[in-house]
Amino acid sequence: EAGVVQSPRYKIIEKKQPVAFWCNPISGHNTLYWYRQNLGQGPELLIRYENEEAVDDSQLPKDRFSAERLKGVDSTLKIQPAELGDSAVYLCASSLVGVSGYTFGSGTRLTVV
Amino acid sequence: GENVEQHPSTLSVQEGDSAVIKCTYSDSASNYFPWYKQELGKRPQLIIDIRSNVGEKKDQRIAVTLNKTAKHFSLHITETQPEDSAVYFCAASPANSGNTPLVFGKGTRLSVIA
Repeated sequence: EAGVVQSPRYKIIEKKQPVAFWCNPISGHNTLYWYRQNLGQGPELLIRYENEEAVDDSQLPKDRFSAERLKGVDSTLKIQPAELGDSAVYLCASSLVGVSGYTFGSGTRLTVV
Repeated sequence: GENVEQHPSTLSVQEGDSAVIKCTYSDSASNYFPWYKQELGKRPQLIIDIRSNVGEKKDQRIAVTLNKTAKHFSLHITETQPEDSAVYFCAASPANSGNTPLVFGKGTRLSVIA
């Protein structure tokens, strides 16, 4: 099992530029989550997908953040334009219905300068 | 919504001693409580979890206890080793299935001193 794969691992961009993150969940996992983890804090949910449907996006700053999960498999998270306060680690996780716990990816560390 | 508080934020113990991390939650509907370990620069990894139908669960040197009346749960690590040094996160989920969003505590940085 390959685990949850995220790319890129690191990204440095200037403020006001766009950026995108990609996540490939574990095969067969229908639920996918994007979390943001600020330095020294716990992960905070941005959006949750059940297959291709976003079922919980109340914490996603929709003025600049967008996400999609085409065909209910891979997902991308986009920020446009990025702000200094967006610097954080963006974690993707997936789970299987009825199974406890998530499997997290290694995350993308975003630095906005 | 759910709110999870975690204490302490940092914890230092001597190798071989026990470590205890405590969490409280606000939503009485929560009934799934996992603990994650995150080493520096790595992904959070599930180490143990407990559901509300049990009060305690143990896996080798790690145990978790749950008090639903008081709405708090704790992680206990016995005979600590230097490789236990990491940030530990508790979480709570207000559903029976594992695919509803977890709400995480802010983490506890555990340092085991050799």
